[in-house]
Amino acid sequence: GAGVSQTPSNKVTEKGKYVELRCDPISGHTALYWYRQSLGQGPEFLIYFQGTGAADDSGLPNDRFFAVRPEGSVSTLKIQRTERGDSAVYLCASSSRSSSSYNEQFFGPGTRLTVL
Amino acid sequence: RKEVEQDPGPFNVPEGATVAFNCTYSNSASQSFFWYRQDCRKEPKLLMSVYSSGNEDGRFTAQLNRASQYISLLIRDSKLSDSATYLCVVILSGSARQLTFGSGTQLTVLP
Repeated sequence: GAGVSQTPSNKVTEKGKYVELRCDPISGHTALYWYRQSLGQGPEFLIYFQGTGAADDSGLPNDRFFAVRPEGSVSTLKIQRTERGDSAVYLCASSSRSSSSYNEQFFGPGTRLTVL
Repeated sequence: RKEVEQDPGPFNVPEGATVAFNCTYSNSASQSFFWYRQDCRKEPKLLMSVYSSGNEDGRFTAQLNRASQYISLLIRDSKLSDSATYLCVVILSGSARQLTFGSGTQLTVLP
């Protein structure tokens, strides 16, 4: 079946602009996570959705970052007034919340954001 | 101090060699442990979970030492296709099950 998809795959923007990154989780997965991966580092958690609500947004670096998931499926990560330090690969992951004690998170291919 | 620390490498080993990666974590209440594999410019993928009793999956063996807060991954008879970055991952107790990653250890298997 289809995996997690993310669009765009690459985004180049100028400092100060607004960007939106989209994530389409695996169908039926109720949990959705956003991570950010800088060069040479492991992914860092940003925000977690269970259904439509943001259950944990403690990883968002500041109030320029915001994410929504209005219908409990597709999610959009929004970054206002982008800064060069926002350049990274933004990864989305989804998992089911069924019976097992750990529900594997399946990652999308990421959006590579470059802020000039 | 980072929550999950790994030797970044790189590890360059010949085909057929045995290679071991180590990882330490700082939060003693961490509850779940994994190794993920990430190929160049690709997304991370789950390689294996790590259990206290140790577990094996083919050529891969993972060990967890909760007392020392230490995780290891052993790869036997390494193949060219094992070349990747290996990420040590924990889930912290009380978290929303988000993954906390180490910086990764880069492995290159040489012909």
